[in-house]
Amino acid sequence: NAGVTQTPKFQVLKTGQSMTLQCAQDMNHEYMSWYRQDPGMGLRLIHYSVGAGITDQGEVPNGYNVSRSTTEDFPLRLLSAAPSQTSVYFCATAISSTDTQYFGPGTRLTVL
Amino acid sequence: KQEVTQIPAALSVPEGENLVLNCSFTDSAIYNLQWFRQDPGKGLTSLLLIQSSQREQTSGRLNASLDKSSGRSTLYIAASQPGDSATYLCALEHSGAGSYQLTFGKGTKLSVIP
Repeated sequence: NAGVTQTPKFQVLKTGQSMTLQCAQDMNHEYMSWYRQDPGMGLRLIHYSVGAGITDQGEVPNGYNVSRSTTEDFPLRLLSAAPSQTSVYFCATAISSTDTQYFGPGTRLTVL
Repeated sequence: KQEVTQIPAALSVPEGENLVLNCSFTDSAIYNLQWFRQDPGKGLTSLLLIQSSQREQTSGRLNASLDKSSGRSTLYIAASQPGDSATYLCALEHSGAGSYQLTFGKGTKLSVIP
């Protein structure tokens, strides 16, 4: 039982490049979400999903896309990376949105 | 808009001391409140979850309370240990933009000195 896994752990991009941050869970949780953590800003919700095929925007969705084709996976796509997207990204899962949240180890992204 | 504040931003205590971390929020219409621990370079680990109908939760040396009327929660750590050194975050589950959202405080960085 791996829990919540995120890949890659570290990534450096150039402005304008695209990439996908992966998040996978083996707990059969319906609720999955993406956060970014920036110094002095705390964690902010980017996108979330309440089940396969259902996604919605959080507080800071601009510049990011998500999809949820399976219960297990919830990838986050950066279409055209910008320096403002330099951050640590966390994926979280839960049985439902009001239950205990389980976080992945994070992906540290630097955009030059 | 829900705002969550944690004071102090940093706290240093000697080993063995009991301590209280504070979390305040502006909107009492919440579904639950969670306390998390984050070690440097790591993800968040959930410590305690208090439903809006509850007043407190306990786990080992940790006790969390919730007072919605005053917009406050506290995390009490008994007999602190160096291994308790970490950043502690509180987060509120509340309705926003048509669904539930989790809003975090910026955390209190705790250092327990041996």
